Amino acid sequence: GAVVSQHPSWVICKSGTSVKIECRSLDFQATTMFWYRQFPKQSLMLMATSNEGSKATYEQGVEKDKFLINHASLTLSTLTVTSAHPEDSSFYICSASIGTGNSPLHFGNGTRLTVT
Amino acid sequence: GDSVTQMEGPVTLSEEAFLTINCTYTATGYPSLFWYVQYPGEGLQLLLKATKADDKGSNKGFEATYRKETTSFHLEKGSVQVSDSAVYFCALNPKETSGSRLTFGEGTQLTVNP
Repeated sequence: GAVVSQHPSWVICKSGTSVKIECRSLDFQATTMFWYRQFPKQSLMLMATSNEGSKATYEQGVEKDKFLINHASLTLSTLTVTSAHPEDSSFYICSASIGTGNSPLHFGNGTRLTVT
Repeated sequence: GDSVTQMEGPVTLSEEAFLTINCTYTATGYPSLFWYVQYPGEGLQLLLKATKADDKGSNKGFEATYRKETTSFHLEKGSVQVSDSAVYFCALNPKETSGSRLTFGEGTQLTVNP
Protein backbone atom coordinates (compact mmCIF):
# COMPACT_ATOMS: atom_id res chain seq x y z
CA GLY A 1 0.00 0.00 0.00
CA ALA A 2 0.88 3.63 -0.28
CA VAL A 3 3.37 4.81 2.32
CA VAL A 4 4.07 8.31 3.53
CA SER A 5 7.25 8.84 5.51
CA GLN A 6 7.60 11.82 7.80
CA HIS A 7 10.90 12.87 9.32
CA PRO A 8 11.90 13.52 12.02
CA SER A 9 9.41 11.76 14.27
CA TRP A 10 10.29 14.10 17.10
CA VAL A 11 12.45 17.18 17.50
CA ILE A 12 13.36 19.53 20.30
CA CYS A 13 14.62 22.98 19.45
CA LYS A 14 15.35 26.27 21.15
CA SER A 15 13.22 29.37 20.77
CA GLY A 16 14.21 31.45 17.77
CA THR A 17 15.57 28.59 15.71
CA SER A 18 13.99 27.04 12.63
CA VAL A 19 12.96 23.45 12.17
CA LYS A 20 12.32 21.59 8.92
CA ILE A 21 9.97 18.63 8.70
CA GLU A 22 9.99 16.39 5.64
CA CYS A 23 7.11 14.45 4.18
CA ARG A 24 7.86 11.88 1.50
CA SER A 25 5.60 9.63 -0.51
CA LEU A 26 7.66 6.46 -0.83
CA ASP A 27 5.90 4.44 -3.49
CA PHE A 28 3.65 6.87 -5.29
CA GLN A 29 3.64 10.37 -6.69
CA ALA A 30 1.68 12.80 -4.59
CA THR A 31 0.12 15.62 -6.55
CA THR A 32 -1.17 17.17 -3.37
CA MET A 33 0.10 17.11 0.18
CA PHE A 34 -1.60 18.47 3.25
CA TRP A 35 -0.11 19.69 6.49
CA TYR A 36 -2.07 19.37 9.70
CA ARG A 37 -1.43 20.46 13.24
CA GLN A 38 -2.79 18.60 16.21
CA PHE A 39 -2.94 19.94 19.74
CA PRO A 40 -3.10 17.52 22.66
CA LYS A 41 -6.43 15.71 22.81
CA GLN A 42 -7.80 17.77 19.95
CA SER A 43 -8.61 17.21 16.34
CA LEU A 44 -6.44 17.88 13.33
CA MET A 45 -6.38 21.42 12.04
CA LEU A 46 -5.54 21.82 8.39
CA MET A 47 -2.73 24.33 8.01
CA ALA A 48 -2.09 24.33 4.29
CA THR A 49 -2.48 22.49 1.03
CA SER A 50 0.66 21.96 -0.98
CA ASN A 51 0.65 21.32 -4.70
CA GLU A 52 3.79 20.27 -6.51
CA GLY A 53 5.43 23.15 -8.32
CA SER A 54 3.16 25.88 -7.01
CA LYS A 55 2.70 27.96 -3.91
CA ALA A 56 0.95 26.42 -0.96
CA THR A 57 -2.56 27.47 -0.06
CA TYR A 58 -2.79 28.41 3.60
CA GLU A 59 -5.86 28.18 5.78
CA GLN A 60 -7.18 31.29 7.42
CA GLY A 61 -5.20 32.24 10.48
CA VAL A 62 -2.06 30.32 9.52
CA GLU A 63 0.98 32.54 9.08
CA LYS A 64 2.60 31.66 5.78
CA ASP A 65 5.83 33.44 6.67
CA LYS A 66 6.13 31.39 9.81
CA PHE A 67 5.19 28.03 8.37
CA LEU A 68 7.05 27.78 5.09
CA ILE A 69 5.93 24.99 2.81
CA ASN A 70 7.85 23.76 -0.19
CA HIS A 71 6.65 21.04 -2.54
CA ALA A 72 9.54 20.79 -4.94
CA SER A 73 8.81 17.33 -6.31
CA LEU A 74 5.98 14.84 -6.55
CA THR A 75 7.43 12.85 -3.66
CA LEU A 76 8.59 15.50 -1.22
CA SER A 77 7.02 18.36 0.68
CA THR A 78 8.70 20.21 3.53
CA LEU A 79 7.32 22.33 6.35
CA THR A 80 9.73 24.76 7.99
CA VAL A 81 8.73 26.34 11.27
CA THR A 82 10.69 29.58 11.34
CA SER A 83 11.74 31.43 14.48
CA ALA A 84 10.02 28.83 16.60
CA HIS A 85 8.36 29.74 19.89
CA PRO A 86 7.08 27.49 22.67
CA GLU A 87 3.51 27.98 21.45
CA ASP A 88 4.53 26.29 18.19
CA SER A 89 5.05 23.08 20.13
CA SER A 90 2.61 20.60 18.68
CA PHE A 91 2.18 17.41 16.68
CA TYR A 92 2.47 18.05 12.95
CA ILE A 93 1.10 15.51 10.50
CA CYS A 94 1.37 15.43 6.74
CA SER A 95 -0.79 13.55 4.32
CA ALA A 96 -0.56 12.88 0.63
CA SER A 97 -3.01 12.21 -2.12
CA ILE A 98 -2.34 10.36 -5.32
CA GLY A 99 -4.95 12.13 -7.38
CA THR A 100 -7.89 14.45 -7.07
CA GLY A 101 -11.48 14.15 -6.02
CA ASN A 102 -12.00 11.25 -3.66
CA SER A 103 -8.51 9.82 -3.79
CA PRO A 104 -7.67 8.44 -0.36
CA LEU A 105 -5.33 10.30 1.90
CA HIS A 106 -2.25 8.57 3.26
CA PHE A 107 -0.85 9.97 6.46
CA GLY A 108 2.63 10.18 7.82
CA ASN A 109 3.31 9.16 11.41
CA GLY A 110 3.63 12.76 12.53
CA THR A 111 6.37 14.90 14.05
CA ARG A 112 6.33 15.91 17.69
CA LEU A 113 7.87 19.41 17.92
CA THR A 114 8.89 20.77 21.30
CA VAL A 115 10.23 24.30 21.48
CA THR A 116 12.08 25.16 24.68
CA GLY B 1 -19.24 25.58 6.12
CA ASP B 2 -18.69 21.88 6.43
CA SER B 3 -18.38 20.40 9.89
CA VAL B 4 -18.21 17.07 11.69
CA THR B 5 -19.41 16.46 15.24
CA GLN B 6 -18.43 13.39 17.24
CA MET B 7 -19.65 12.16 20.56
CA GLU B 8 -17.52 13.35 23.40
CA GLY B 9 -15.04 11.00 24.94
CA PRO B 10 -13.25 9.42 26.45
CA VAL B 11 -15.02 6.11 26.08
CA THR B 12 -13.94 3.24 28.30
CA LEU B 13 -15.17 -0.29 27.67
CA SER B 14 -14.39 -3.80 28.76
CA GLU B 15 -13.08 -6.29 26.24
CA GLU B 16 -15.83 -7.87 24.09
CA ALA B 17 -18.23 -5.00 24.76
CA PHE B 18 -20.25 -3.36 21.98
CA LEU B 19 -18.95 -0.06 20.69
CA THR B 20 -20.79 2.89 19.18
CA ILE B 21 -19.16 6.21 18.46
CA ASN B 22 -21.62 8.75 17.10
CA CYS B 23 -20.76 11.05 14.23
CA THR B 24 -22.97 13.61 12.51
CA TYR B 25 -22.03 16.01 9.78
CA THR B 26 -23.06 19.22 8.07
CA ALA B 27 -22.18 19.66 4.43
CA THR B 28 -23.55 20.93 1.17
CA GLY B 29 -23.95 18.40 -1.56
CA TYR B 30 -22.98 14.77 -1.12
CA PRO B 31 -19.73 14.35 0.77
CA SER B 32 -17.72 11.19 1.23
CA LEU B 33 -17.40 10.06 4.83
CA PHE B 34 -14.48 8.43 6.60
CA TRP B 35 -13.37 6.98 9.90
CA TYR B 36 -9.69 7.26 10.76
CA VAL B 37 -7.88 5.70 13.70
CA GLN B 38 -4.82 7.11 15.46
CA TYR B 39 -2.73 4.93 17.72
CA PRO B 40 -0.53 6.64 20.35
CA GLY B 41 2.32 8.63 18.83
CA GLU B 42 1.35 7.76 15.28
CA GLY B 43 -0.34 9.38 12.32
CA LEU B 44 -3.79 8.51 11.10
CA GLN B 45 -4.83 5.33 9.35
CA LEU B 46 -7.94 5.01 7.24
CA LEU B 47 -10.31 2.59 8.94
CA LEU B 48 -13.27 2.67 6.58
CA LYS B 49 -15.18 4.93 4.23
CA ALA B 50 -18.47 5.39 2.41
CA THR B 51 -18.97 7.53 -0.64
CA LYS B 52 -22.74 7.68 -1.05
CA ALA B 53 -25.96 7.40 0.89
CA ASP B 54 -26.75 3.97 2.36
CA ASP B 55 -23.24 2.72 1.70
CA LYS B 56 -21.76 0.66 4.52
CA GLY B 57 -18.05 0.84 5.13
CA SER B 58 -16.44 -2.01 7.04
CA ASN B 59 -13.00 -3.10 8.13
CA LYS B 60 -11.48 -5.12 10.99
CA GLY B 61 -14.92 -5.73 12.49
CA PHE B 62 -15.84 -2.04 12.45
CA GLU B 63 -18.83 -0.81 10.47
CA ALA B 64 -20.44 2.51 9.65
CA THR B 65 -23.44 3.29 7.43
CA TYR B 66 -23.84 6.56 5.54
CA ARG B 67 -27.27 7.88 6.60
CA LYS B 68 -28.21 10.90 4.54
CA GLU B 69 -31.58 11.36 6.21
CA THR B 70 -29.98 11.76 9.62
CA THR B 71 -26.63 13.11 8.32
CA SER B 72 -24.85 10.50 10.40
CA PHE B 73 -22.03 8.00 10.07
CA HIS B 74 -21.87 6.20 13.41
CA LEU B 75 -19.02 3.76 14.02
CA GLU B 76 -19.86 0.37 15.52
CA LYS B 77 -18.08 -2.81 16.52
CA GLY B 78 -19.73 -5.80 18.05
CA SER B 79 -16.86 -6.94 20.27
CA VAL B 80 -13.95 -4.65 21.02
CA GLN B 81 -10.44 -5.77 21.88
CA VAL B 82 -7.72 -4.17 23.96
CA SER B 83 -5.83 -3.51 20.73
CA ASP B 84 -8.68 -1.27 19.55
CA SER B 85 -7.67 1.34 22.12
CA ALA B 86 -6.94 4.47 20.09
CA VAL B 87 -8.41 7.80 19.05
CA TYR B 88 -11.06 7.61 16.34
CA PHE B 89 -11.78 10.49 13.97
CA CYS B 90 -14.79 10.93 11.77
CA ALA B 91 -14.12 13.01 8.66
CA LEU B 92 -15.76 14.21 5.47
CA ASN B 93 -14.55 15.19 2.05
CA PRO B 94 -16.85 17.46 0.07
CA LYS B 95 -16.83 16.05 -3.44
CA GLU B 96 -17.07 19.45 -4.99
CA THR B 97 -13.50 20.24 -4.11
CA SER B 98 -10.45 18.90 -5.82
CA GLY B 99 -7.89 16.85 -3.99
CA SER B 100 -8.75 15.14 -0.75
CA ARG B 101 -9.28 17.98 1.66
CA LEU B 102 -10.71 16.46 4.81
CA THR B 103 -12.65 18.07 7.62
CA PHE B 104 -12.22 16.15 10.86
CA GLY B 105 -14.32 15.75 13.94
CA GLU B 106 -12.89 16.28 17.38
CA GLY B 107 -11.80 12.70 17.85
CA THR B 108 -12.99 10.18 20.43
CA GLN B 109 -10.53 8.46 22.72
CA LEU B 110 -11.39 4.77 23.20
CA THR B 111 -9.84 2.71 25.96
CA VAL B 112 -10.58 -1.00 26.15
CA ASN B 113 -9.72 -2.76 29.38
CA PRO B 114 -9.00 -6.51 29.62
